[in-house]
Amino acid sequence: GAVVSQHPSRVICKSGTSVKIECRSLDFQATTMFWYRQFPKQSLMLMATSNEGSKATYEQGVEKDKFLINHASLTLSTLTVTSAHPEDSSFYICSAEAEISYEQYFGPGTRLTVT
Amino acid sequence: DAKTTQPPSMDCAEGRAANLPCNHSTISGNEYVYWYRQIHSQGPQYIIHGLKNNETNEMASLIITEDRKSSTLILPHATLRDTAVYYCIVHSGQNFVFGPGTRLSVLP
Repeated sequence: GAVVSQHPSRVICKSGTSVKIECRSLDFQATTMFWYRQFPKQSLMLMATSNEGSKATYEQGVEKDKFLINHASLTLSTLTVTSAHPEDSSFYICSAEAEISYEQYFGPGTRLTVT
Repeated sequence: DAKTTQPPSMDCAEGRAANLPCNHSTISGNEYVYWYRQIHSQGPQYIIHGLKNNETNEMASLIITEDRKSSTLILPHATLRDTAVYYCIVHSGQNFVFGPGTRLSVLP
């Protein structure tokens, strides 16, 4: 089946630094990718929708200047958490929508810890 | 908001069938019912989906009522590795909206 990877799988950074998370569709092209975050004991919450070659669409309450999304190719979207703070510590998950079938496939997630 | 209602938790004995219910009374005609599960600290794993007919694959069976207002996911022989949070989602394109799901505990 279709595979989506995320890198890194876990990262620890200091408060005030920026962290980039990559989401790749390994064996299919994805015009649309979605970024979710999940706090402990909570469900996944959509942060933004990323379309290849255009600006991302952010959900209400998600700061676009803090969570920078770049979807420069049909197989790669990146989420950069800028000036990270401890409250940004979370599990970040991406999903990719296959260009042909429109099926969505989820990545394994990235655990971000900001100290 | 999620369009589905699921019990917050369920227990199941190992080797027995696990039947996970989901209510989606406001589902519209073009929305599919999807089931995903999430094992601790992993991304969601696709299980099965359907529109109105019952579906079966190597992981599970999906039973959708004739009025499509509810469905049941059946794991025929639950194992300890099936312990996870199970999400029932109605979906017609774009992003998935996750509710709190059902935490299934398979007990030895």
